[in-house]
Formats: sequence, C-alpha cells, structure tokens
Amino acid sequence: GIQVEQSPPDLILQEGANSTLRCNFSDSVNNLQWFHQNPWGQLINLFYIPSGTKQNGRLSATTVATERYSLLYISSSQTTDSGVYFCAAKETSGSRLTFGEGTQLTVNP
Amino acid sequence: DAGITQSPRHKVTETGTPVTLRCHQTENHRYMYWYRQDPGHGLRLIHYSYGVKDTDKGEVSDGYSVSRSKTEDFLLTLESATSSQTSVYFCAISESKGPWGNTIYFGEGSWLTVV
Repeated sequence: GIQVEQSPPDLILQEGANSTLRCNFSDSVNNLQWFHQNPWGQLINLFYIPSGTKQNGRLSATTVATERYSLLYISSSQTTDSGVYFCAAKETSGSRLTFGEGTQLTVNP
Repeated sequence: DAGITQSPRHKVTETGTPVTLRCHQTENHRYMYWYRQDPGHGLRLIHYSYGVKDTDKGEVSDGYSVSRSKTEDFLLTLESATSSQTSVYFCAISESKGPWGNTIYFGEGSWLTVV
C-alpha cells in the first residue's frame, strides 16, 4: 500500500514565526487531506487538496501530485496552532486513506 | 462543525467484556468510518460503511464488528475486549462522492481503556 511520510516529526516555534510541514507519498494519489489535532484530541479537517494550492486565512497548502508531495504552510503562528498535523492520502488504485504519523507543532508565546 | 456525536466519550472496561461504541450523525452523509489512534501508529481504519447494512473491513478489523441499521448510526462492537484494544476511537463521515473521494470529518473521539 501507499506510504505516507511526514516531516519534521517535531517542530517548536515562537509565536509569529512561519513554518512549512511536508508530506511525501509513495504513489499517485486522488485524495490528499490535511488535519489538525488540537491538544484536546479533536481532529479538524484543514484542506482537501489532491492537487494544486488552497489558502484559508494564515494556512495554505500545495500538493504537487506529479512529484508526490504536499506542503502545509503556517504563517504568523499562534499558540492555538499547537497540536499535531496529519496528512492522509489515498492512492489512485487504492481503497482507503492512509495517515502519516504526524508533525507535533508547539508554538510558544 | 460536522454533526457527529460519539458515545460514550470515556469508558473503562474489563478484559473479556463486550463493548459497543456508537456514532450518530445529523448530516445524512452516506459514508461512515471507525478509526483507532495509537501512539506510533497514527490513525488506522477499522471498518467503514457505504450505506445502510453495507460495511467493509479496514486494515485493523480483527476483533471488531460493526452494524449500520440506520443512515445516522454506525455502531462499533468489541465482542470480547482485550488490553490491545485500549485506544482512542474516532468516528468519521464523508459526503457522497464515493468513500474516499471527498473531505472526511471526525467526531470528538471515544477513549477506551481495557483493564
């Protein structure tokens, strides 16, 4: 099945800094999503982005399907951005979403 | 927020007892899923449903069964709970572009401890 690898595994920022989270996947995909899990465990869908670029406020995401990676950009980070960010992908010929192990982001005041 | 309610939210049970977790949605979405989340493994699919009485196995389905008798409810049953099933269980739903063709939304999770 598809392999989904996220980097870095951990990231510590000062409030106001920018960051880029990366998701590499091993096969062609027709579904790619980013999620944020807050410190209370709630999973929030950020982007559905199998290709192209999307923006939502301070967050944006880009998926380059031909090169098998996706990037999540967080600008002007806030302490409420802390948590774990997951990427999930489904290969074109596959039957389920596979999640990466996540990037643990800590934003300090 | 997607209208997904999981119950119970927290449960401690003894090894060998049956446990049922319930997922209720108010969105009338066709597709529903059960995931478990464990340290070092991320989120793994247990079972999913693509309609009333239509279900299929995920990657970690052993020891679990599911039922969906109504569009809004998807039940996950551990027939005889084991300590390895201690986990956080998440229900999810998605709209009707196919089970994996659209955004999925998660419930708030159910923390299960098997002692």
